[in-house]
Amino acid sequence: AQTVTQSQPEMSVQEAETVTLSCTYDTSENNYYLFWYKQPPSRQMILVIRQEAYKQQNATENRFSVNFQKAAKSFSLKISDSQLGDTAMYFCAFMNQRNAGGTSYGKLTFGQGTILTVHP
Amino acid sequence: DGGITQSPKYLFRKEGQNVTLSCEQNLNHDAMYWYRQDPGQGLRLIYYSQIVNDFQKGDIAEGYSVSREKKESFPLTVTSAQKNPTAFYLCASSGERWGGNQPQHFGDGTRLSIL
Repeated sequence: AQTVTQSQPEMSVQEAETVTLSCTYDTSENNYYLFWYKQPPSRQMILVIRQEAYKQQNATENRFSVNFQKAAKSFSLKISDSQLGDTAMYFCAFMNQRNAGGTSYGKLTFGQGTILTVHP
Repeated sequence: DGGITQSPKYLFRKEGQNVTLSCEQNLNHDAMYWYRQDPGQGLRLIYYSQIVNDFQKGDIAEGYSVSREKKESFPLTVTSAQKNPTAFYLCASSGERWGGNQPQHFGDGTRLSIL
């Protein structure tokens, strides 16, 4: 079974500065997908960024980028130029790629989350 | 606009009562999912369905039941067998069956409490 670990329960950062959230995972699969979701106080889950394991290039979405280290099974999220609206709980999630005969495909496994607070 | 609608936003359950949470999507997605979120924790998968008239148990299915009679609807029933139902419930859907790089889209959630 896959597991996802976020070792930082809470983080804080000053507005306009950069912060990195950590995520490690455990899997025996070679092909999979990784995601970061954001959950603001409204509780809605919002996709921030995603990474395919077969791609060596790190994904980037505007101020958000990842550092994907496949051998180390690490998938950290960097937020540059932090904004007050970035304050939220951030979840790292893992999904197996389609695998004929498997039963876990399509399922997201989430980490425990990191509460990020951006201070003015 | 396309999206996922969960209702009600808040729900209260009496002891021994079954309650049903609604989830409807107009995204034409094949796959739908139900997650439970406890305070300060991540989401845990209850049930999922990759196609109409088929569904699979997730990691914490005991005390819950689902149906998938229509592509756009995936209601979750919290039965009296679920002894600790107080949680935030999120429904999600995905445009690709059996995994893939299509992300899951989430509804706004239902908060269930015991009276």
